Amino acid sequence: GQQLNQSPQSMFIQEGEDVSMNCTSSSIFNTWLWYKQDPGEGPVLLIALYKAGELTSNGRLTAQFGITRKDSFLNISASIPSDVGIYFCAGQRGGGSNYKLTFGKGTLLTVNP
Amino acid sequence: NAGVMQNPRHLVRRRGQEARLRCSPMKGHSHVYWYRQLPEEGLKFMVYLQKENIIDESGMPKERFSAEFPKEGPSILRIQQVVRGDSAAYFCASSPSVQGVSNEKLFFGSGTQLSVL
Repeated sequence: GQQLNQSPQSMFIQEGEDVSMNCTSSSIFNTWLWYKQDPGEGPVLLIALYKAGELTSNGRLTAQFGITRKDSFLNISASIPSDVGIYFCAGQRGGGSNYKLTFGKGTLLTVNP
Repeated sequence: NAGVMQNPRHLVRRRGQEARLRCSPMKGHSHVYWYRQLPEEGLKFMVYLQKENIIDESGMPKERFSAEFPKEGPSILRIQQVVRGDSAAYFCASSPSVQGVSNEKLFFGSGTQLSVL
């Protein structure tokens, strides 16, 4: 099936540092989404990207939709302890099947206070 | 709490038993989606339902798994004769209309963690 390659698999950073993670795919997606999942909870949408080249911010989070439509990155600036969690990228292919999100395997972020 | 409600949060079953997972969508949402998350993996699509209709079950295993969304009551994901490999977190999501038309986001519940002994 469709695969999204998400990296890094895990990150351990100090509070206040910036962090970057990315996703790549062998095929095109029409929409890229970034979710955060806390332990024992469902994923919560952070940012949605709809156009190739689009750069979108949500507070300290910034994400970009790659120009080839096959990749996306998420940056978190000035990390804080509550940023801890698993971050997932997800792609939507459109054409009436947007509900079929394809998820990456996640990036586990640990922030040391 | 007007979010997507799933229960139980944790379910333990022995091999061969049946598991029934329930999902109540957000108020006003008529579209329900089930996803499965294996340990250290991303979520994978299983099935999409509207009231009394299965729209897309292409991600659901052909045997032992079934889903319904009756006219009244929650959506049910049913796993018969569970095996250890069924142990996973099962997430339900809902939306007010078809994603492809309105581009609305999916809202996920907190999941049911199924453990098969």
